[in-house]
Amino acid sequence: GQNIDQPTEMTATEGAIVQINCTYQTSGFNGLFWYQQHAGEAPTFLSYNVLDGLEEKGRFSSFLSRSKGYSYLLLKELQMKDSASYLCAALDSNYQLIWGAGTKLIIKP
Amino acid sequence: DAGITQSPRHKVTETGTPVTLRCHQTENHRYMYWYRQDPGHGLRLIHYSYGVKDTDKGEVSDGYSVSRSKTEDFLLTLESATSSQTSVYFCAIYSGFEQYFGPGTRLTVT
Repeated sequence: GQNIDQPTEMTATEGAIVQINCTYQTSGFNGLFWYQQHAGEAPTFLSYNVLDGLEEKGRFSSFLSRSKGYSYLLLKELQMKDSASYLCAALDSNYQLIWGAGTKLIIKP
Repeated sequence: DAGITQSPRHKVTETGTPVTLRCHQTENHRYMYWYRQDPGHGLRLIHYSYGVKDTDKGEVSDGYSVSRSKTEDFLLTLESATSSQTSVYFCAIYSGFEQYFGPGTRLTVT
């Protein structure tokens, strides 16, 4: 079957760095997405990786290892507004997104 | 926001009643999707459309039907609402390689 695993909840301190991990098993693979979702709002796109390696975009970076079925989202210089859920999703061979349950990130001052 | 709106934004209905949710987009996107989101679960695909009158089932399609008679509108119908269909429903479109989401509809079935 198809499966995406990510931690349910993480806590970090304002100004620090946090890494949110995601492992996936899908029928075929056409890329890995990360979305941010604030409480009561719609998910918004953060990043897309299809090749191995690190993609950096400002304070956020995303890493992919296709051979290990593994990705992480790295958030630097954490701000209170980064408190949100972070959703990992893999694009399968039918170009359908398979979603993880999300990681709720709590930022403490 | 990719020009996506959903209506209604909130709805409370009784078990056994039919309910229709509307997704409207203004940018002529071909692919449209309906998801539900529940605590402890990822977004789960209900149905999707790849063109006018072209639709297909997702992983949780039982109890739901869809219609797309115009490019801009994708309707989701709960034929006879049940309490297990209490959820937040998101519509999405594909633009480039990303999915963009509408603001969501919070549906409560009592």
